[in-house]
Amino acid sequence: GDSVTQMEGPVTLSEEAFLTINCTYTATGYPSLFWYVQYPGEGLQLLLKATKADDKGSNKGFEATYRKETTSFHLEKGSVQVSDSAVYFCALSDQTQGGSEKLVFGKGTKLTVNP
Amino acid sequence: DGGITQSPKYLFRKEGQNVTLSCEQNLNHDAMYWYRQDPGQGLRLIYYSQIVNDFQKGDIAEGYSVSREKKESFPLTVTSAQKNPTAFYLCASSIAGVNSPLHFGNGTRLTVT
Repeated sequence: GDSVTQMEGPVTLSEEAFLTINCTYTATGYPSLFWYVQYPGEGLQLLLKATKADDKGSNKGFEATYRKETTSFHLEKGSVQVSDSAVYFCALSDQTQGGSEKLVFGKGTKLTVNP
Repeated sequence: DGGITQSPKYLFRKEGQNVTLSCEQNLNHDAMYWYRQDPGQGLRLIYYSQIVNDFQKGDIAEGYSVSREKKESFPLTVTSAQKNPTAFYLCASSIAGVNSPLHFGNGTRLTVT
């Protein structure tokens, strides 16, 4: 079945450092790809998404490009802030197999940014 | 503002008791979902509902039950049959259809002792 693999955390960075969180996927169909973020004590929020190959999703300084050739959707940010400390989830939704009930999540990567 | 409300934020129960977690949304979304989150395991789908009076089992439905009598409400009951009920439970909703992003509540942390 479909699956998502994220780099294991935790990741600890200093403020203004460059961030990459790797995400690769396995899917039989044509998935849409998402990054969700979970701040401490809260639910998840959609950070960005891409629905087809070569699309770039971006939001709040974060970017991720849908790479079909490498089945990847790595999350990047050029300069992280303390407020970016959270858990980040990569997810896929196979649009040929139904709606959002088919959303498959990675295990999450915890990011801590120190001042 | 529209959103999803889960209550309570923290819930404590004795083993052997059923407990019901509340989820209400005012986003006018057709679809609603319950996920369980455990450390290091990401999110796992318990139940989902795409329309009132209809719901489907997710990947880990055993020991749980739901109802969808109203569009805005999707309560989850954790029964005594659930072998390991202590977890963080997240409710979500979305517009029905593909690629629709999920909107999450802030979760309920259930502890069973």
